[in-house]
Amino acid sequence: DAGVTQSPTHLIKTRGQQVTLRCSPKSGHDTVSWYQQALGQGPQFIFQYYEEEERQRGNFPDRFSGHQFPNYSSELNVNALLLGDSALYLCASSLDGSGRRNYGYTFGSGTRLTVV
Amino acid sequence: AQSVTQPDIHITVSEGASLELRCNYSYGATPYLFWYVQSPGQGLQLLLKYFSGDTLVQGIKGFEAEFKRSQSSFNLRKPSVHWSDAAEYFCAVGPPGGFKTIFGAGTRLFVKA
Repeated sequence: DAGVTQSPTHLIKTRGQQVTLRCSPKSGHDTVSWYQQALGQGPQFIFQYYEEEERQRGNFPDRFSGHQFPNYSSELNVNALLLGDSALYLCASSLDGSGRRNYGYTFGSGTRLTVV
Repeated sequence: AQSVTQPDIHITVSEGASLELRCNYSYGATPYLFWYVQSPGQGLQLLLKYFSGDTLVQGIKGFEAEFKRSQSSFNLRKPSVHWSDAAEYFCAVGPPGGFKTIFGAGTRLFVKA
């Protein structure tokens, strides 16, 4: 049973460029959340996608955007990259709990983004 | 405000010794509580979760956690630590329904021989 797959694993970009990160959720999961983890920090919530719509968003600027496709896979886009965007970007999939349950996340191994 | 506090940035224990990692949370409603483990360069793996019922919950890899409502705590324990347990541990809190989950800053566990 495939878990969460993220691509690419590593990426180096220049300030001002744009980047797209990709995520395939665990089989059977319908919800995708994206987190940013700076070195030595805990994951910070960027946003969550469910039924192809952004359902909830954290405290990140509009430079961060995303998409969810009908097969539940997802993309994270970051425009106008800043040095401070350098981090590990984690995709987490889950099964929607319909407002009643929380089954926890299955995480991918992440994409290490370095902005120079 | 919703928050998770892990007071210990890092902890060192000897192999075979017991372990307790502390976690305190602040949350408006009754939350789900989680512990995740992260090995270097990897994603996070769910160790255990709690919402209701028995306040002592068992997880994978021999870990357990105890929920104490009066102290807003959810501490992680293991009776005997193995060298392979060296990793970063994150406490997290989230609502029913699987919406946004908030993570603590993590505790780095070092295991010495």
